[in-house]
Amino acid sequence: QVQLQESGPGLVKPSETLSLTCTVSGGSLRSFFWSWIRQAPGKGLEWIGYMSYSGSPVYNPSLKSRVAISVDTPKNQFSLRLTSVTAADTAVYFCARAGYNGSGTSPDLDYWGQGTLVTVSS
Amino acid sequence: QSVLTQPPSASGTPGQRVTISCSGSSSNIGTNSVNWYQQFPGTAPKLLIYSDYQRPSGVPGRFSGSQSGTSASLAISGLQSDDEADYYCAAWDDSLNAYVFGTGTKVTVL
Repeated sequence: QVQLQESGPGLVKPSETLSLTCTVSGGSLRSFFWSWIRQAPGKGLEWIGYMSYSGSPVYNPSLKSRVAISVDTPKNQFSLRLTSVTAADTAVYFCARAGYNGSGTSPDLDYWGQGTLVTVSS
Repeated sequence: QSVLTQPPSASGTPGQRVTISCSGSSSNIGTNSVNWYQQFPGTAPKLLIYSDYQRPSGVPGRFSGSQSGTSASLAISGLQSDDEADYYCAAWDDSLNAYVFGTGTKVTVL
């Protein structure tokens, strides 16, 4: 059974960098895409981006200038960095596994971490 | 602002059938498959439907998905109190080169 677990600071100061790690257990990082999604309090889901273990990352255009996703295959982890954060970046951040199952041309997120709340405040 | 539009809310009594719409465009639903997610308060979303209509193992047959043109729908038949949750559609958008979620629909069982 694949499990994902986010970790990182729950509080980040404005203008600083948000850094989170997702540890994957029960499966390898190979053959899938690894994603970050966030949800501001009381709001909907926002896709941040994803990357595979061997490919280039793809980011949400609205965040592209500030975001970086990386994969560490030996550690079975992948990470998120979001620079120059503001209060608008306060959200629950989820990591998830993405794959292309069936005849789908959209990635489906089939395994998720429980999410971690990151608050941006001084 | 999401490019996939859903009604904010939907409701029904136990046993009824509820349908949630997801309206997009030619660059997303019109070209790519649609997935649906179910989210209970304080928990991570769960994949409910993938590739327009397929159900992951363990998802009851009461949940069904369909797609036509630039719109998609999720139907819940035999509505149960346990179905009270938020539901999101999602699809890849070729113009944005990004995965986009719908605005979300809160389902209430009366």
